[in-house]
Amino acid sequence: QQKVQQSPESLTVSEGAMASLNCTFSDGTSNNFRWYRQHSAKGLEVLVSIFSDGEKEEGRFTAHLNRANLHVSLHIREPQPSDSAVYLCAVSPYNNAGAKLTFGGGTRLTVRP
Amino acid sequence: GALVYQYPRRTICKSGTSMRMECQAVGFQATSVAWYRQSPQKTFELIALSTVNSAIKYEQNFTQEKFPISHPNLSFSSMTVLNAYLEDRGLYLCGAGTGNNERLFFGHGTKLSVL
Repeated sequence: QQKVQQSPESLTVSEGAMASLNCTFSDGTSNNFRWYRQHSAKGLEVLVSIFSDGEKEEGRFTAHLNRANLHVSLHIREPQPSDSAVYLCAVSPYNNAGAKLTFGGGTRLTVRP
Repeated sequence: GALVYQYPRRTICKSGTSMRMECQAVGFQATSVAWYRQSPQKTFELIALSTVNSAIKYEQNFTQEKFPISHPNLSFSSMTVLNAYLEDRGLYLCGAGTGNNERLFFGHGTKLSVL
């Protein structure tokens, strides 16, 4: 069964400093990887989706996937206090899995002004 | 644009009663719909995945008898929490996907409180 783990559990950075979040997964055949943000027990906001090794940038958010190392990371450039939220890594098990995702436990990011 | 609406946004029910929540996909065909639960202080757990032309598949620890799901067409799904108790509290999220797995949309969720 797929296991998705995120680190660190919480992270505090100063406004403008790069924030880096990590996610490891157990199934090397996993196909799709997504980073979401959740503000205060609300719904999910998709930040970036990545399907192949390498980098994918969406605005200030960059995901980096290394399937061989079972690792996907998220880097937030110039974070602002409004970026303070829980960041969730989600993995799809195989192609055409539809809406099936396994979520990590989340990283709570706090951005200090 | 593509959107997923969930309602109600919040609901409170008495212990032992049932509560139905709905999910509406707008602007795309929801060939798959997944229902998730985020219990307090936890991450999202998949309850079940419904794919058009396939049986609804429930994850371990979740059953159709407790969480019956309907997915009658490509724009609508509903789930009922039967006999809700304290451990059923949480945020229930509907995720809808298109067949090629490249596009996936979430609603804002239904927050369930149980008294």
